[in-house]
Amino acid sequence: KQEVTQIPAALSVPEGENLVLNCSFTDSAIYNLQWFRQDPGKGLTSLLLIQSSQREQTSGRLNASLDKSSGRSTLYIAASQPGDSATYLCAVVSSNTGKLIFGQGTTLQVKP
Amino acid sequence: DAGVIQSPRHEVTEMGQEVTLRCKPISGHNSLFWYRQTMMRGLELLIYFNNNVPIDDSGMPEDRFSAKMPNASFSTLKIQPSEPRDSAVYFCASSPRTSANTGELFFGEGSRLTVL
Repeated sequence: KQEVTQIPAALSVPEGENLVLNCSFTDSAIYNLQWFRQDPGKGLTSLLLIQSSQREQTSGRLNASLDKSSGRSTLYIAASQPGDSATYLCAVVSSNTGKLIFGQGTTLQVKP
Repeated sequence: DAGVIQSPRHEVTEMGQEVTLRCKPISGHNSLFWYRQTMMRGLELLIYFNNNVPIDDSGMPEDRFSAKMPNASFSTLKIQPSEPRDSAVYFCASSPRTSANTGELFFGEGSRLTVL
């Protein structure tokens, strides 16, 4: 059974810091991995989608990497800003079930 | 495009009442998903449709839950009778592909349900 874990559960950093959010999954048989952002009381916004054949994706200050063999992904946020404060979730699509399985998320606070 | 539209945004009801949540996916998207989010269990997939056909409803918790997609632009999730443990945020998402294995998911803003 595919399980997705995100560590840490919460993170607080000063503005301007570069930071890394971690995601691990137990079954390497995946189609893709997505990183989402969720603001309080809001839905999820897709940030980056990495197909299983890819190693990384970049969008602006965000860079996501994927190491399928070790079951790990990282989301790198450069020069963090208070507006980056949100919960970040990663999710993998299992090749066995076709279902998108979510981690519990990392809640990020960037202090001015 | 307005994105995935869900209604109502908030609903407070009493135990035993019927609840109907509605979703309008992004036009042209082939897949529609219903998720439930709670603090304890995070995001759970309840059911998903491809081209209006239910593909996997193994996540639907009980017979009290049912979902329909009568056409490509509308879906409902119904709970009858509702119970306090059904209190959660229910999200609808759509994808431009017929499965989630390659397509990006786009989420609505959710329906927050409170059952007293």
